[in-house]
This record gives sequence, structure tokens and C-alpha cells, in this order.
Amino acid sequence: DIQMTQSPSTLSASVGDRVTITCRASQSISSWLAWYQQKPGKAPKLLIYDASSLESGVPSRFSGSGSGTEFTLTISSLQPDDFATYYCQQYNSYLYTFGQGTNLEIK
Amino acid sequence: EVQLVESGGGLVKPGGSLRLSCAASGFTLRSYRMNWVRQAPGKGLEWVSSISTSSSYIYYADSVKGRFTISRDNAKNSLYLQMNSLRADDTAVYYCARARAVAGTDFFDYWGQGTLVTVSS
Repeated sequence: DIQMTQSPSTLSASVGDRVTITCRASQSISSWLAWYQQKPGKAPKLLIYDASSLESGVPSRFSGSGSGTEFTLTISSLQPDDFATYYCQQYNSYLYTFGQGTNLEIK
Repeated sequence: EVQLVESGGGLVKPGGSLRLSCAASGFTLRSYRMNWVRQAPGKGLEWVSSISTSSSYIYYADSVKGRFTISRDNAKNSLYLQMNSLRADDTAVYYCARARAVAGTDFFDYWGQGTLVTVSS
């Protein structure tokens, strides 16, 4: 199975900050990577697919980049609604795997 | 509006069985691969199983293979997960998720609100 490793596990930041979360795959997954946002007690929400395509309705302050084994999710200017947990997911194979999550908390 | 509504969760003893359902609306279920994803309390997301549009291709995570069975009824707009031989580490919120196809693969674009399964004596 393809292993996905996110860093950091926890990120403390302030409103207005620019933040970056990294996701690494144990083997090349081309650009078959998605990012999800999850708030407590809620279902995950799709933000980015195909590594860099913004899902409809998602604010443009979210962006994704990368290919192969290294990927990043960037939030250009943190808003209060952005404090949540973020997961990457590979879909290079039908044995989908997720990263362990990054908890973005208020500093 | 796309909606996925899970049901069937609850408290079950170790070794017991449970059947989860996911009712789909707002889209044509038969056009989409569907999935189950779970999340243990305080933990991350774990993909459980997927089923192709006509049920021809089915995949399971190693952690549930041989114990769980995914199925679908496109006429009833429903997805199911039969869970047998349940263990304490199956305790989780179970989500159904729709897969949007792109160039031979797919990702999860809509998720239900989840149903909690608790395995405990």
C-alpha cells in the first residue's frame, strides 16, 4: 500500500498568516492527490483534487501544488473559519490512503 | 443537491454484526463508484471499501477483508456495508463517500454525515 505522511502534525498560526502543509507519498502518485478539511463532528470537505485543482466553491486562498511524491497545501491568509484538521489522500490506486492529518490551531 | 445519509450504526458486542446503509439523493447513484471511510474516535480517516458502478469491482482494506461486505442497490439509490465479526478496533464513525471519476481514477467529492458504530461488551 502507498503510505502518506503529513507534516507537521500540529500547526499553530494566527489569522492572516500564510501556512503550508506538506504531504509525502511512499511512491510516486503522479498528481493523484486530494486535500480535505474536517471540522470537529463534521464530515470531511473536499478542497483540492488532482494536486492543484480547486474544488468549486472553495475560497481561492487555498492552493495545492506538487507531483510525484511531494505535495503542499497552502492557505495564503488564514481566516477564522480555516482552523480545522487537514488530510491529504492519494488515489493513484484503488487502495486509497490518507495522511494522518494536520491539526491547524489558533496561536 | 447531493445528499448522502448513513444509518444503521449503534452499539454491538464483539463478534456481532451490523449493517450500515447510505441513502443517496440529488444525483444518479448508478453513475458513481461509492466508498465507505471510517474514523475511530480522535483518529484520522481510514478508507474501508469501494464498489464500482455495476458492482463488478470491489475492494477492501486489509483490516476488514473477509469480515465486511460492501454492496449497492442502484434502483433503491442505496449503498450498504455488512459488518460481521466486529472487533473493538472497528469502533468508528462510518462515512459513505461518492467518488468523482477523473482519467481512470477517482476521488471523494461528497460525504455523508456519518454513523457511529461502537463495538463493546
